Amino acid sequence: GDSVTQMEGPVTLSEEAFLTINCTYTATGYPSLFWYVQYPGEGLQLLLKATKADDKGSNKGFEATYRKETTSFHLEKGSVQVSDSAVYFCADFSSGSARQLTFGSGTQLTVLP
Amino acid sequence: NAGVTQTPKFQVLKTGQSMTLQCAQDMNHNSMYWYRQDPGMGLRLIYYSASEGTTDKGEVPNGYNVSRLNKREFSLRLESAAPSQTSVYFCASSEIVGSYEQYFGPGTRLTVT
Repeated sequence: GDSVTQMEGPVTLSEEAFLTINCTYTATGYPSLFWYVQYPGEGLQLLLKATKADDKGSNKGFEATYRKETTSFHLEKGSVQVSDSAVYFCADFSSGSARQLTFGSGTQLTVLP
Repeated sequence: NAGVTQTPKFQVLKTGQSMTLQCAQDMNHNSMYWYRQDPGMGLRLIYYSASEGTTDKGEVPNGYNVSRLNKREFSLRLESAAPSQTSVYFCASSEIVGSYEQYFGPGTRLTVT
């Protein structure tokens, strides 16, 4: 079946540092790709999405570009804040028979002041 | 709008005990889902309900049962809890089945001793 692999954490950065969290997928065809974020004590929230190759999803200063040639959807932010501390999940959605989200294992990000 | 609510927030069970996790949504969504989240494994789908009156197995249904009580409520039952079911359980909902934009509850942390 499909799988999503993302960079293992935890990741600890200082405020204003540059963030990259790597994500790759194995689904064939053109799945839709997502980043979800889970703040402490809360459920997951959709952060951004891209539904076709070369699309760039963006939200709250985070960006990710759908790269079909490398089957990747890496999350980036130019200057992280303490409030960005959370767990980040990469996910894909295939319109095949499963029709369900497949999540990566999550990456814990801690931003220090 | 409360969104997706789950009860209880925490629960400790002994092996062999039973319990029901409750979930409700107030967004008039048709589809609802139950996931479990284990360290290093991301979220895995247990069961889902495409619409009121229907339920289907997800990736890891063994040891669980579900009931779609009405459009708002979707419960998950553990008939005879096992230590392997120690996990964090998330309920989610979406407008239609297979929609990637799912809305998550805050989770239930279950420990089985």
